[in-house]
Amino acid sequence: DAGVIQSPRHEVTEMGQEVTLRCKPISGHNSLFWYRQTMMRGLELLIYFNNNVPIDDSGMPEDRFSAKMPNASFSTLKIQPSEPRDSAVYFCASRLGTSGSHEQYFGPGTRLTVT
Amino acid sequence: AQSVTQPDIHITVSEGASLELRCNYSYGATPYLFWYVQSPGQGLQLLLKYFSGDTLVQGIKGFEAEFKRSQSSFNLRKPSVHWSDAAEYFCAVGAPDSWGKLQFGAGTQVVVTP
Repeated sequence: DAGVIQSPRHEVTEMGQEVTLRCKPISGHNSLFWYRQTMMRGLELLIYFNNNVPIDDSGMPEDRFSAKMPNASFSTLKIQPSEPRDSAVYFCASRLGTSGSHEQYFGPGTRLTVT
Repeated sequence: AQSVTQPDIHITVSEGASLELRCNYSYGATPYLFWYVQSPGQGLQLLLKYFSGDTLVQGIKGFEAEFKRSQSSFNLRKPSVHWSDAAEYFCAVGAPDSWGKLQFGAGTQVVVTP
């Protein structure tokens, strides 16, 4: 299995631009998570999808952030407009099932730099 | 609300020496407990997990962790570290009565010296 795939691996953009991060979960996994990692705040859960439906988006910072999962094999996280404080590593993770006892498999992350 | 604390931000250990990373949690009942490792530029990889049963759990890469209910702790150990163990280690807590939202600790950076 290829694991969770994220693209791009690195993104550098200017403030005010739109940024779209992409994630392909492991085939067959029906739970998907987006996390953000910064030095100041550590790992934060942004949003959780189950069977392509957003279940908990309480971690999404503000309206500039949006996430979609149009099908079981693809999700996007969009920031519009981007700001320097959005600079972070964004991880996507997938999981089989809805139980918290199941392992979350993480992608390699997208390092976003907003100048 | 659940929370997890990793008291040590940074640990330096000599290759071949033992390693122990501390993790304390706050939760009303026994939560799901996890240890993840993050190598530079990589995502997180699960080392081991605990839900119930034997309080000493074995994981990958020679790691083990012990759950101590009385201390609300889930410390990670390795008897003899290798240079490849240099990484950041995260303890995570999940509530059994939820959909599995994980609360991560701040992480412990492990440096291995020759």
